[in-house]
Amino acid sequence: DIQMTQSPSSLSASVGDRVTITCRASQRISTYLNWYQQKPGKAPQLLIYDESNLQFGVPSRFSGSGSETDFTLTISGLQPEDFATYYCQQSFSSPYNFGQGTKLEI
Amino acid sequence: VQLVESGGGLIQPGGSLRLSCAASGVSSSNYAMSWVRQAPGKGLEWVSGISWSSGTTYYADSVKGRFIISRDNSKNTLYLQMKSLRAEDTAIYFCAKHNAVGPRAGMDVWGQGTTVTVSS
Repeated sequence: DIQMTQSPSSLSASVGDRVTITCRASQRISTYLNWYQQKPGKAPQLLIYDESNLQFGVPSRFSGSGSETDFTLTISGLQPEDFATYYCQQSFSSPYNFGQGTKLEI
Repeated sequence: VQLVESGGGLIQPGGSLRLSCAASGVSSSNYAMSWVRQAPGKGLEWVSGISWSSGTTYYADSVKGRFIISRDNSKNTLYLQMKSLRAEDTAIYFCAKHNAVGPRAGMDVWGQGTTVTVSS
């Protein structure tokens, strides 16, 4: 099974900051990497699919990049509504595991 | 596009439960579907997935042999049959639609979740 490791597990930032969350896969997964945002009491929302493609309707301040095993989610210019928990997920092979999550706090 | 889960509840350890996920607004039969769960205060755990044609199913090791995923494309409905339930299966169960015919794609539509509590 492919293990996904996110860092940091929590992050404090301010409105307007640029933040980066990283995700490492235990083996190469090409570009099969997705990012989700989850707010308390809500279902997750897809932000980025296939490593760097912005899901329709997601603000352009979100971006993704990576290379085979190491991936990053960058939020440029944090907005109040961005404070949430973020998860990476590999869709290369089953089981399609998630990372443990990164809680972004004010 | 909307996904609505149902079937959750309180069940004793060792019991069985069937979850349903009804899709509306799009024909879910053209896409792969998955179940993802979240234990109280914990992160997301992918549980099971199924291709659009129902030809291929996928399971997490933690549920293999106990859960069965299926779909009825004529009813636009996804199912998760759960048996031999354990306390560690307690979670909110979300169904989600993949943005492709197979599960090698992000999940772009999610239901609101249904809660399963396994306790005596």
